Amino acid sequence: SQTIHQWPATLVQPVGSPLSLECTVEGTSNPNLYWYRQAAGRGLQLLFYSVGIGQISSEVPQNLSASRPQDRQFILSSKKLLLSDSGFYLCAWSVRSSRERYEQYFGPGTRLTVT
Amino acid sequence: QKEVEQNSGPLSVPEGAIASLNCTYSDRGSQSFFWYRQYSGKSPELIMSIYSNGDKEDGRFTAQLNKASQYVSLLIRDSQPSDSATYLCAVKDRGSNYQLIWGAGTKLIIKP
Repeated sequence: SQTIHQWPATLVQPVGSPLSLECTVEGTSNPNLYWYRQAAGRGLQLLFYSVGIGQISSEVPQNLSASRPQDRQFILSSKKLLLSDSGFYLCAWSVRSSRERYEQYFGPGTRLTVT
Repeated sequence: QKEVEQNSGPLSVPEGAIASLNCTYSDRGSQSFFWYRQYSGKSPELIMSIYSNGDKEDGRFTAQLNKASQYVSLLIRDSQPSDSATYLCAVKDRGSNYQLIWGAGTKLIIKP
């Protein structure tokens, strides 16, 4: 069965500090990968998605970036965090083929607080 | 602008009753629809997907799709306190190969 891991689970960082969040998927190959952010009491905002190694599409211009160095690894980064970067960061994957390719499955998330 | 709309709630339902959650979408040609459950502080979990008009049942959950009226609903029978959560509706974006358009969610409270 497929499993998706995210770490760390919680993170408190000062304004201006760098950020690196990692997500890995097990049990599947060539997944589509997604980074979302969810502000407190709000819906899901798609930040980045990737259809393959090195292929990143950005949905929201901001001080965040994403990379996919391996097939099942997706990294979210920032050089300098802003207060507005606080939120619940979710990594998700979906199958790239078959009828069910649109269904997305989420990792446990990272709760980031920027102080 | 393609939109998915849900009543934010909270929707309060007594234990054992049927909870009915509704979602409307703006893109008439949408084909794929999903319901997710999100417990407080946790990540969303896929409950149901539905692609064809009509009802799809899975245990206590029934998804209903009406493409002509552009709405999709989720019924939860014999509601339990453990069903208390926020329910997110998502619709496949026809303008993208992979992306979903998300509703903001409906908070459901099951009262014992």
